[in-house]
Amino acid sequence: QGQMVESGGGVIQPGESLRLSCAVSGFTFTPFGFHWVRQAPGKGLEWVAFIRDDGSDEQYADSVKGRFTISRDNSKKSVFLQMNSLRPEDTAVYHCAAKYNSASPFDPWGQGTLVTVSS
Amino acid sequence: EIVLTQSPGTLSLSPGERATLSCRASQSVSSNYLAWYQQKPGQAPRLLIYGASSRVTGLPDRFSGSGSGTDFTLTISGLQPEDFAVYYCQQYGTSPLTFGGGTKVEIK
Repeated sequence: QGQMVESGGGVIQPGESLRLSCAVSGFTFTPFGFHWVRQAPGKGLEWVAFIRDDGSDEQYADSVKGRFTISRDNSKKSVFLQMNSLRPEDTAVYHCAAKYNSASPFDPWGQGTLVTVSS
Repeated sequence: EIVLTQSPGTLSLSPGERATLSCRASQSVSSNYLAWYQQKPGQAPRLLIYGASSRVTGLPDRFSGSGSGTDFTLTISGLQPEDFAVYYCQQYGTSPLTFGGGTKVEIK
């Protein structure tokens, strides 16, 4: 059974930076693309970023473009989200999710890590 | 961007009743790449249905997905206590990938 565990969340002031990690186990890492999806408190799901299986392509939601960077380390079976210039509206639980190919949905997902941006 | 509109926002039903959840897309979903996820408080979303109508392995057959193009439905026939949760639809065929706003199925 595949498992994804996020870490790195916390309380941070506006304008500061944070790096989230997602550790993958229980399935072969390299064929999968990975996404970050966030959920503001009491709200729905918002797609944030994507990285291709070989790292050759990255995509971002307009709301985070230029501030967030997604990356992966295949040797460590991990995915990262570097978040700069954080804003209060970035406050959310951040989930990572795996996607096998263009015809696949998100599965599995991690439980998420909470990021709170507040002064 | 494909906007997904889920209705109703909240569905109040009793155990044993049938739940019908709707997901309408602002434009046709490519190859019917439409998924349904279930989320309970404090938990990760869980994939239920993909390709509009394919159940994941082990999912009880009381869950069924249908539809194509712009109109999709998730039906839960005979709600069990563990089915009360929030359900999201997602289109994964066209970037940016988008989610609906969710339908909460609550106990009446």
